[in-house]
Amino acid sequence: ETGVTQSPTHLIKTRGQQVTLRCSSQSGHNTVSWYQQALGQGPQFIFQYYREEENGRGNFPPRFSGLQFPNYSSELNVNALELDDSALYLCASSFQTGPNSPLHFGNGTRLTVT
Amino acid sequence: GQQVMQIPQYQHVQEGEDFTTYCNSSTTLSNIQWYKQRPGGHPVFLIQLVKSGEVKKQKRLTFQFGEAKKNSSLHITATQTTDVGTYFCAGHSGTYKYIFGTGTRLKVLA
Repeated sequence: ETGVTQSPTHLIKTRGQQVTLRCSSQSGHNTVSWYQQALGQGPQFIFQYYREEENGRGNFPPRFSGLQFPNYSSELNVNALELDDSALYLCASSFQTGPNSPLHFGNGTRLTVT
Repeated sequence: GQQVMQIPQYQHVQEGEDFTTYCNSSTTLSNIQWYKQRPGGHPVFLIQLVKSGEVKKQKRLTFQFGEAKKNSSLHITATQTTDVGTYFCAGHSGTYKYIFGTGTRLKVLA
């Protein structure tokens, strides 16, 4: 069983730039959720993708966008980066969208915005 | 919006002592999950509770879901250094997303 993989592991960007983070879901999982985790905080829900469609969104501005591909892998795009976007970005895949589906997290991408 | 709080924020214990973290939701939950995140790592699923008043055990860990399905607890008996990490509860209220708690960071002193 292949776990959730994320790339890159670390990234340094300048304020105003754009970034794309990538995630390959665990085999057999069709749902991907993205979370932002600031230092010392709990993961904050960004959005979820199911069957290539956005299935729900947290309190994040439109400059946070995503995609899911037919193989269920996913991308998170952030435009016009701000200093407060510095965080660990976690991708989690699950077998289905609803409750009773544990989230399987990748190791995350550490984004630093300077 | 829905909020999930955890107390305490930090806990330092001597190895062998017990540890408990409490999770409280502002809304009724359909279920609750618990995750452990080791320093520098990612959250790892521990367990899920669904029924009101449910109690589940995993070796030295005991998880409980409140009767009103708005609170939960995790109790560790006789902590070990391998228990170090941050413990998060994550509540699901029937929408599409899990809301994570603020976390309790556990340090175990040998």
